[in-house]
Amino acid sequence: NAGVTQTPKFRVLKTGQSMTLLCAQDMNHEYMYWYRQDPGMGLRLIHYSVGEGTTAKGEVPDGYNVSRLKKQNFLLGLESAAPSQTSVYFCASSYPEDREYNEQFFGPGTRLTVL
Amino acid sequence: GNSVTQMEGPVTLSEEAFLTINCTYTATGYPSLFWYVQYPGEGLQLLLKATKADDKGSNKGFEATYRKETTSFHLEKGSVQVSDSAVYFCALLGGYNKLIFGAGTRLAVHP
Repeated sequence: NAGVTQTPKFRVLKTGQSMTLLCAQDMNHEYMYWYRQDPGMGLRLIHYSVGEGTTAKGEVPDGYNVSRLKKQNFLLGLESAAPSQTSVYFCASSYPEDREYNEQFFGPGTRLTVL
Repeated sequence: GNSVTQMEGPVTLSEEAFLTINCTYTATGYPSLFWYVQYPGEGLQLLLKATKADDKGSNKGFEATYRKETTSFHLEKGSVQVSDSAVYFCALLGGYNKLIFGAGTRLAVHP
C-alpha cells in the first residue's frame, strides 16, 4: 500500500495564479483532511471531508476550495494565490471515530511558495 | 474552545540524556490525546496515543501518561538517540477525528 500520497511535492506560484493539490489514499478511509503547517504554529485544519461528495470548513478555510468526487481523492484548490498562502500543505486520512484504529495517516507534504 | 500548549523548542540534548517535552491541553470532556513525530522532510507519523484518563501510551521507548488532574500529556524518553532528532507534536482529538495540534517542539540530539 502506498498510504497517503500528495502531488506535487514542490510548487512555486506567482500572486494571482491558481493551482490544485491532489491527495490520494489507498486505505479505504472515509475521512480526509487538509492542513497547512507554518513555523511556530503547528498544523491548522483548512478543510475536511467525512465521505465522498462531502466537504466542511476547518479552522483556516479562506482562500481555499476543496472537492471529494471520489472516496480515495481529496483536492485542494487555490483560485488566486497570495503570499500568505506560502506554507507546507499536508493531507491526511482516517477511519471514522467509532472505529478502534482511528488515527490519522499523513502524506509527505507539498511545499508551496507564492511570490 | 479546545487547545493544546507545548513547551517551546528547540530542545538540545546529548545522546543518552533524559527527555521530557511538556504538553497541556484545554478541552471539554476527556478527548483522546496523541503525540506525532515529524522527521526532516517527511510527513507526520503517529508516535503514541492515550484514549482515556490514566492511560499510558508507549512506543519506541517513548511514553506519555494522560493526566486529567493536571490536563497534561508529557512526552518522556529515558535515553535519547541521534535518530530521535525531529519535531514532536502533541494533539487532541475533536469531532470527526479532527486533530488540534500544539505548535510543535524541535528536538536536536547530538552525539
